[in-house]
Amino acid sequence: KQEVTQIPAALSVPEGENLVLNCSFTDSAIYNLQWFRQDPGKGLTSLLLIQSSQREQTSGRLNASLDKSSGRSTLYIAASQPGDSATYLCAVNSDSWGKFQFGAGTQVVVTP
Amino acid sequence: GAVVSQHPSWVICKSGTSVKIECRSLDFQATTMFWYRQFPKQSLMLMATSNEGSKATYEQGVEKDKFLINHASLTLSTLTVTSAHPEDSSFYICSASPVSSGSFDEQYFGPGTRLTVT
Repeated sequence: KQEVTQIPAALSVPEGENLVLNCSFTDSAIYNLQWFRQDPGKGLTSLLLIQSSQREQTSGRLNASLDKSSGRSTLYIAASQPGDSATYLCAVNSDSWGKFQFGAGTQVVVTP
Repeated sequence: GAVVSQHPSWVICKSGTSVKIECRSLDFQATTMFWYRQFPKQSLMLMATSNEGSKATYEQGVEKDKFLINHASLTLSTLTVTSAHPEDSSFYICSASPVSSGSFDEQYFGPGTRLTVT
């Protein structure tokens, strides 16, 4: 059974610093991995989707890498801003039917 | 971008009653929708996969007679929590995959429904 772990559980950084969020998964046979953002009491916003054949994806200040063989993905957020404060979830799709296994998330606080 | 809505966004009900939650894809058709549950400070757990015109597929440990799912059209799936109890209080989120995408990679999540059972 696929298990997804996110470290750290919480992170607080001053504005302007780069953020590094880690995600690990136990079964390397994945279709894709996706990073989401969740604001308190709200739904999910998709940030980046990485297919199993890709090693990284970039969107603006966000960059996500994938090392399938070691079961790891890292989300980098450059030059953090207070608006980046949220919980970031990593989700792994291990079957062809779109079922995601989610990590517990990393709660990020960016202080002005 | 594609939008998924949920209604209601927040509901309080008394123990023993039933409550229905709707998930709609507003500008696309979705053959498949997914229902997740999120307890406080925990991550999302997949409850069931809802397929238009057929029975839902439930994950292990999810009571299908308690959580009734109906996917009556390509834009609407409903989750009914029957005989709700306080332990059913949770944040319920749905996601939908556009028929046009040809795969499940593209999924859009609803804003969630917070259920409180008193």
